[in-house]
Amino acid sequence: SAVISQKPSRDICQRGTSLTIQCQVDSQVTMMFWYRQQPGQSLTLIATANQGSEATYESGFVIDKFPISRPNLTFSTLTVSNMSPEDSSIYLCSVRTGSYEQYFGPGTRLTVT
Amino acid sequence: GENVEQHPSTLSVQEGDSAVIKCTYSDSASNYFPWYKQELGKRPQLIIDIRSNVGEKKDQRIAVTLNKTAKHFSLHITETQPEDSAVYFCAASRYNTDKLIFGTGTRLQVFP
Repeated sequence: SAVISQKPSRDICQRGTSLTIQCQVDSQVTMMFWYRQQPGQSLTLIATANQGSEATYESGFVIDKFPISRPNLTFSTLTVSNMSPEDSSIYLCSVRTGSYEQYFGPGTRLTVT
Repeated sequence: GENVEQHPSTLSVQEGDSAVIKCTYSDSASNYFPWYKQELGKRPQLIIDIRSNVGEKKDQRIAVTLNKTAKHFSLHITETQPEDSAVYFCAASRYNTDKLIFGTGTRLQVFP
């Protein structure tokens, strides 16, 4: 499996501001994804981060709110824009390696006040 | 749309007993079914998975079974131990999209 890191691990932000979360993998991976996990809930896919093209967003998530970059095969960023308290959540990146398996980063715990 | 239902939401067992968690998926094109274990404050960890071309897979004390006709798959943990206590998530995906659709989770508590 790949070694995945995320920065920051946690942050407390004010309403109306933006936060960019970074996901770094120690090897090239075919697919990268961003998930949200609200407190005590399951994981919800936000988008697939495509290398060299625009991300593919799931229903209920839009690019203006969650812009994503993926400049190469080992790195991606997710920005949470114009935050409100409802955005308080854990944000996780995941990667698919050569086969089917997906592995998760450690997550970023975001609190919006 | 795609949906994965998971039952039960909570499960309490005595150490040494078996635990079974069941999931049902809606998308008949799903062909990959992983299970994740998430301990408090930690990331989800892949513990076992099964592809649609097999009916059962075992790894020591854990096993997963798949019934494609009924669109059911289950996680079986035998000889449970207190360190098995965690939230378990099932998921389903199609190979051509790689999107994992997660179940709602099962909180397993193993009492010594």
